[in-house]
Amino acid sequence: GAGVSQSPRYKVAKRGQDVALRCDPISGHVSLFWYQQALGQGPEFLTYFQNEAQLDKSGLPSDRFFAERPEGSVSTLKIQRTQQEDSAVYLCACRDEQVSSYNEQFFGPGTRLTVL
Amino acid sequence: GQNIDQPTEMTATEGAIVQINCTYQTSGFNGLFWYQQHAGEAPTFLSYNVLDGLEEKGRFSSFLSRSKGYSYLLLKELQMKDSASYLCAVRDRRNNNDMRFGAGTRLTVKP
Repeated sequence: GAGVSQSPRYKVAKRGQDVALRCDPISGHVSLFWYQQALGQGPEFLTYFQNEAQLDKSGLPSDRFFAERPEGSVSTLKIQRTQQEDSAVYLCACRDEQVSSYNEQFFGPGTRLTVL
Repeated sequence: GQNIDQPTEMTATEGAIVQINCTYQTSGFNGLFWYQQHAGEAPTFLSYNVLDGLEEKGRFSSFLSRSKGYSYLLLKELQMKDSASYLCAVRDRRNNNDMRFGAGTRLTVKP
């Protein structure tokens, strides 16, 4: 596709419920990132994939958070037993390691998660 | 990790010039990015600096001093649509060249 897409755009979950957030990156972009953005704050790094390999998961806040990218394209961020403090916008971004001299990241529109 | 500091909020007048500062501390510096984020939307790339000096791109310019750990984003001829958050992000070799963001500066442009 032309850009990064994420689904759902909005998710309301009851505390304790499991959620799965999907990211479709730009075709061919090797690197994929997940960020958590609280209201009025900058994006906080969660995890990074290069193709299907998860090279950095140091930003995942707890073992309730899990991310995968099994075929090196679509990625899913799963949050188990959601808590109210998980309420945030979850941003996905990708980067083309081959072409751009800037190596900038391209962001999706995000999924706004609200945990009641 | 990095400490990235930028002002929380700024206000400026339409047609004016505004400078948004960013300071950072990192030992594996490998580039600094500025992103614009309108409320409820994704961040969009504005500029990139890896060497000292000024990069100009239309109404927007970005400056970097690596020795001082300092950057600024300069917006000229402000328009109402420039009201947004401006995010400073630093790339670090020690983090697989991942970016780490500051908290962002919310700019309000008034008529």
